[in-house]
Amino acid sequence: AQSVTQLDSHVSVSEGTPVLLRCNYSSSYSPSLFWYVQHPNKGLQLLLKYTSAATLVKGINGFEAEFKKSETSFHLTKPSAHMSDAAEYFCVVSDNVGNEKLTFGTGTRLTIIP
Amino acid sequence: EAQVTQNPRYLITVTGKKLTVTCSQNMNHEYMSWYRQDPGLGLRQIYYSMNVEVTDKGDVPEGYKVSRKEKRNFPLILESPSPNQTSLYFCASSPQRGVIAKNIQYFGAGTRLSVL
Repeated sequence: AQSVTQLDSHVSVSEGTPVLLRCNYSSSYSPSLFWYVQHPNKGLQLLLKYTSAATLVKGINGFEAEFKKSETSFHLTKPSAHMSDAAEYFCVVSDNVGNEKLTFGTGTRLTIIP
Repeated sequence: EAQVTQNPRYLITVTGKKLTVTCSQNMNHEYMSWYRQDPGLGLRQIYYSMNVEVTDKGDVPEGYKVSRKEKRNFPLILESPSPNQTSLYFCASSPQRGVIAKNIQYFGAGTRLSVL
């Protein structure tokens, strides 16, 4: 069984300050982990993925995430927020077995304050 | 351009009137899936398909049907829609299992359905 918990439903940061979106996961196997972003009225776009290679994963638009097995976490960070980062972010886990289903977190809405 | 195309993007209908939401991908992906997105619940899988003529239930299949007669198309069918099926629906596709890029799913732009 697999699950994912996004610890904050809403995060607000000022433009130019760091972003931290928190995600904890549960998985019976060695998981794959993803962050997807959804801009208003748009589909989901892959930001980055972890699939058992390097634990620090770099994605698009300056985002990165670190896989920490001991903490079962996969937090998303960015050093300096930009107005265009305002969106909803989903942390996603897959057990890599069976139908390789993706299990989505409930999402974190990121607001950027000018 | 590689893409997943859903139609329609917006749909308002009445209870009991059968409808179909189409999904087509041009990436020759074997795996396709349907999700619904509801506030505070994230995305939940409705049905998925590993390949042509192979479909299976996801987490919330009740009230939905799918078919996979061709590799590129994966329509979602609501035989008798009800108000609790009002939601935002996403189709997604993914390359074959076991590929390095496994589990990366490419999403359509979504279909917003309202059932009155």
